[in-house]
Amino acid sequence: AQTVTQSQPEMSVQEAETVTLSCTYDTSESDYYLFWYKQPPSRQMILVIRQEAYKQQNATENRFSVNFQKAAKSFSLKISDSQLGDAAMYFCAYRSARDDKIIFGKGTRLHILP
Amino acid sequence: NAGVTQTPKFRILKIGQSMTLQCTQDMNHNYMYWYRQDPGMGLKLIYYSVGAGITDKGEVPNGYNVSRSTTEDFPLRLELAAPSQTSVYFCASSYRQGSEQFFGPGTRLTVL
Repeated sequence: AQTVTQSQPEMSVQEAETVTLSCTYDTSESDYYLFWYKQPPSRQMILVIRQEAYKQQNATENRFSVNFQKAAKSFSLKISDSQLGDAAMYFCAYRSARDDKIIFGKGTRLHILP
Repeated sequence: NAGVTQTPKFRILKIGQSMTLQCTQDMNHNYMYWYRQDPGMGLKLIYYSVGAGITDKGEVPNGYNVSRSTTEDFPLRLELAAPSQTSVYFCASSYRQGSEQFFGPGTRLTVL
C-alpha cells in the first residue's frame, strides 16, 4: 500500500525568506501524480502545485517549486520570498494512476514570522 | 459557478442517529470524493466515484455509504453515528484522472 510521510509537523520561516517542506512516499507503481495542498485557517483546501511522475522537469508555480526525486521517492516543496499569507497547513498527496485513490500526508504547519 | 458545495456546515449528532452529508458540484466533473480529516491529521479517503452509478471504497469506508445517481451529487450517509466519526468531512471533485481536485468548504460533525 502507498504511504505519504511528512516528517516536519511544524516549521517557521522569516517573512521574505525561503523554506522547504519535506515529503517522502512509498509506492511500487511507476505512474502516479503528486500534489501539495495548502489549508489556511479557513479550512479550505487549495492546490498549490502538482507533478506528474513521468515528467522529469520539476513543477513551478510562481514562488512555489518542487524538487521531485523519483528514485528517492521524495517530493519537497520550496516556497521562496515567504509571505504572511503563506501561513497554513501544507499537505503532500499521492494519487495513483491505476485506481485513482489519493493518499495524504499528515501535514506540516508553516508559521511565517514577521 | 459555485464549485463544490457542502451542507450542512456544522452538525451535532447523538450516538446511533443517522444523517446524510450533501455534496454538489456544478463543474460537470466525473470524479468525486469524500474525505475525513481528524484533528492534527491529513485527509483520509472514505469513498470515491469515477462517474454516475459507480462508487468505490477508499481507505476508511466502514460506517459510511454513498450513492452517485447523478453527475452533480455525491451524498455521504452515516447510518449509526459513533463518536469515532467525529471529524471534518470534505467533498471534492475533479475533471479527470490526475487533474486538480476542487474541495468543498467542509462539514464539521460531532457525535456525542
